[in-house]
Amino acid sequence: DAGVTQSPTHLIKTRGQQVTLRCSPKSGHDTVSWYQQALGQGPQFIFQYYEEEERQRGNFPDRFSGHQFPNYSSELNVNALLLGDSALYLCASSPVRGSQETQYFGPGTRLLVL
Amino acid sequence: GESVGLHLPTLSVQEGDNSIINCAYSNSASDYFIWYKQESGKGPQFIIDIRSNMDKRQGQRVTVLLNKTVKHLSLQIAATQPGDSAVYFCAENEGSYIPTFGRGTSLIVHP
Repeated sequence: DAGVTQSPTHLIKTRGQQVTLRCSPKSGHDTVSWYQQALGQGPQFIFQYYEEEERQRGNFPDRFSGHQFPNYSSELNVNALLLGDSALYLCASSPVRGSQETQYFGPGTRLLVL
Repeated sequence: GESVGLHLPTLSVQEGDNSIINCAYSNSASDYFIWYKQESGKGPQFIIDIRSNMDKRQGQRVTVLLNKTVKHLSLQIAATQPGDSAVYFCAENEGSYIPTFGRGTSLIVHP
């Protein structure tokens, strides 16, 4: 089992550009959540996808959007990038939406916005 | 909104010592707590969890203590090893499956 995988590992963009990050959940998991982790901070919840729909959302602007595919993989899209969007973006998967069972995190994508 | 925080940003210990990492939470409605370990270049890794109807839970070399009266959580690591060096986060859930993370404590283990 490969666990949660994310691509790319690192990415450099400039202000105003758009970016797409990808996540494949752990085998058997159908729920994917995305987090933003600024340097020196804890992860902050962006949103969660289940059955190809956004189910819960954190305090992030509409520039942040996502998608979940039938195979449960997911994408995070960020439009009109700002310098403050520079962070580690983490994907986490879980087996059942709403379950208290712990999430499994991927290694993250490091995004740098110049 | 309410938040989870950590008392000490950095903890340095000698190999073989016991480590205690503390966490204060402010949401009295939280019913589930998790400790994560995050090594450099990796995502958070689950260590141990505890529900609000418990005050202690033990794992392999780790123990989590929960004091609901003062809204305090701690992680004890026995016989700390260099491989334990990482940033440790506590996180809390309130009836949902979305953990709210604190800022983290960096644990440095000296050989």
